[in-house]
Amino acid sequence: RKEVEQDPGPFNVPEGATVAFNCTYSNSASQSFFWYRQDCRKEPKLLMSVYSSGNEDGRFTAQLNRASQYISLLIRDSKLSDSATYLCVVNAEGSYIPTFGRGTSLIVHP
Amino acid sequence: DTAVSQTPKYLVTQMGNDKSIKCEQNLGHDTMYWYKQDSKKFLKIMFSYNNKELIINETVPNRFSPKSPDKAHLNLHINSLELGDSAVYFCASSRGQGLEEDFGPGTRLTVT
Repeated sequence: RKEVEQDPGPFNVPEGATVAFNCTYSNSASQSFFWYRQDCRKEPKLLMSVYSSGNEDGRFTAQLNRASQYISLLIRDSKLSDSATYLCVVNAEGSYIPTFGRGTSLIVHP
Repeated sequence: DTAVSQTPKYLVTQMGNDKSIKCEQNLGHDTMYWYKQDSKKFLKIMFSYNNKELIINETVPNRFSPKSPDKAHLNLHINSLELGDSAVYFCASSRGQGLEEDFGPGTRLTVT
């Protein structure tokens, strides 16, 4: 089983739709979790951290489920500009080696 | 501007050559990283460097060596370049272990 798994997609949704991505991780000692966004031919940029109690930033909501070992990202009211690849990142306690998922591609169309 | 910067942005070179990529961060971060993103877009960590402690991903060939002259710089030196080294290399930094990272713009390396 891969350490961090994501559905590569692409998720093809119309503007205004709600879309959700999941990311599963295998290391139960994982302590910190993030979602990054990467546009084509650009560097990854932090979208949001994922907190145990769940957190929201505008149209974006992140959740952590430690029992089932997955994190999720929900995007409401999708915009064309949300089209990108979304990467989940998991860090194990005491580790300086972050593990990235392969990313989920999102395409928002008019 | 506060940022992570890398040079060069593009690097085209022949097999067997030795090359270096420079990375600088002026964010005051304690930890720096090098990542390789291959043609399938998989982002894989190569090195993590924190307070002079180097953590190496064991899958990285020893032709790759990071060099840190000071806390703000982590350069990547590659010996005897191979075709399979062609990829985009990203430098990143963070305030510490397990924290969010800032990425540089990437260096697109093409080995011919």
